[in-house]
Amino acid sequence: GAVVSQHPSWVICKSGTSVKIECRSLDFQATTMFWYRQFPKQSLMLMATSNEGSKATYEQGVEKDKFLINHASLTLSTLTVTSAHPEDSSFYICSAIPAGAAKNIQYFGAGTRLSVL
Amino acid sequence: GENVEQHPSTLSVQEGDSAVIKCTYSDSASNYFPWYKQELGKRPQLIIDIRSNVGEKKDQRIAVTLNKTAKHFSLHITETQPEDSAVYFCAASFNFGNEKLTFGTGTRLTIIP
Repeated sequence: GAVVSQHPSWVICKSGTSVKIECRSLDFQATTMFWYRQFPKQSLMLMATSNEGSKATYEQGVEKDKFLINHASLTLSTLTVTSAHPEDSSFYICSAIPAGAAKNIQYFGAGTRLSVL
Repeated sequence: GENVEQHPSTLSVQEGDSAVIKCTYSDSASNYFPWYKQELGKRPQLIIDIRSNVGEKKDQRIAVTLNKTAKHFSLHITETQPEDSAVYFCAASFNFGNEKLTFGTGTRLTIIP
């Protein structure tokens, strides 16, 4: 149980275009999801906390107008990278916490590798 | 905010020997400390976690110790095997994990056959 699906796993786009990444909890409901960015050989850096039915909370230095987050249901959060540029190329990973669970473990998606040309 | 430091950044261990990875955290309010294993290009997988009301926890070959006073916690892997090779991340969180995780910088563990 506690499977988080992330789609797509890999995307290449042209500079200036927008890319949407989906994060789904397949067998549980998640009131809270997190979005991370991971550069090669580096740690996971939290970008934002996504709460179902409310606005996301962004970490300092993360542009909310560039990285749009929508948590429209208890099983789906989306991250849209708007007007992507080469410096946005990275590995984006989401995680989710099962609602009402006795133990608040974050389960991670498999990640999305974004390459902006 | 919370700051988590992790050492060493790389670690090579002979198969069968033990490996120890150490982390320190800055915020005394943190009360949940998970360890994740990440293989190349894959998702982080929780391998063990500990809460601040416990000093040590063990699961087969893996153990974690926590020193709240010193604000540091460590991962111990005994009888290492080649499949233990991966990057390991420690993390810290408030509210027993219901809040955001702050990750350490990671340790690349290589098990030498």
